[in-house]
Amino acid sequence: EPEVTQTPSHQVTQMGQEVILRCVPISNHLYFYWYRQILGQKVEFLVSFYNNEISEKSEIFDDQFSVERPDGSNFTLKIRSTKLEDSAMYFCASRTSGSWYEQYFGPGTRLTVT
Amino acid sequence: GEDVEQSLFLSVREGDSSVINCTYTDSSSTYLYWYKQEPGAGLQLLTYIFSNMDMKQDQRLTVLLNKKDKHLSLRIADTQTGDSAIYFCAEKGNTGGFKTIFGAGTRLFVKA
Repeated sequence: EPEVTQTPSHQVTQMGQEVILRCVPISNHLYFYWYRQILGQKVEFLVSFYNNEISEKSEIFDDQFSVERPDGSNFTLKIRSTKLEDSAMYFCASRTSGSWYEQYFGPGTRLTVT
Repeated sequence: GEDVEQSLFLSVREGDSSVINCTYTDSSSTYLYWYKQEPGAGLQLLTYIFSNMDMKQDQRLTVLLNKKDKHLSLRIADTQTGDSAIYFCAEKGNTGGFKTIFGAGTRLFVKA
């Protein structure tokens, strides 16, 4: 069964460094999402992306964040200058255009900022 | 705005039924979901229900939707220790790319 994959599974970085989290959505999916979950808290929506554009973003998704689909398979989340409070599990999700109600989530990347 | 609330903990004995409750605010939500998250793992979609349904059954899982009270519940029959996990209630947003809005999650403990 096709699945969303994410790399790395765990990333440790120092405050102020740039990180890029990578996702490979399911191949025929056209809508892509990033969510994050700070330890012990809700899963929060960050951004949705379609047709090479951001469809919607939350208040969390400030100028430090950016997303890109650099080729036909990857979808990346970049954090330009990481802060301690960016430490969280980051989930990528994707869906087809037809099944707008069903998103498939990846296993997550745990980001630890020290 | 859109918000989803659920209780944080539930403890049951193995073999009993578990009922996890959730309330949501957006009356225009068309789909409501239950996700399961095991320790250190990602989000697994367990089941979902369309808003024109009152109930959906899938093996040991029963979802009940009370649209008037904006209340959703997940019943797990014959709960097993392998059911110990965090269960997230979620609704489908109606803006932008139809994001998913999650509750804080209910941690289910199953005692042997």
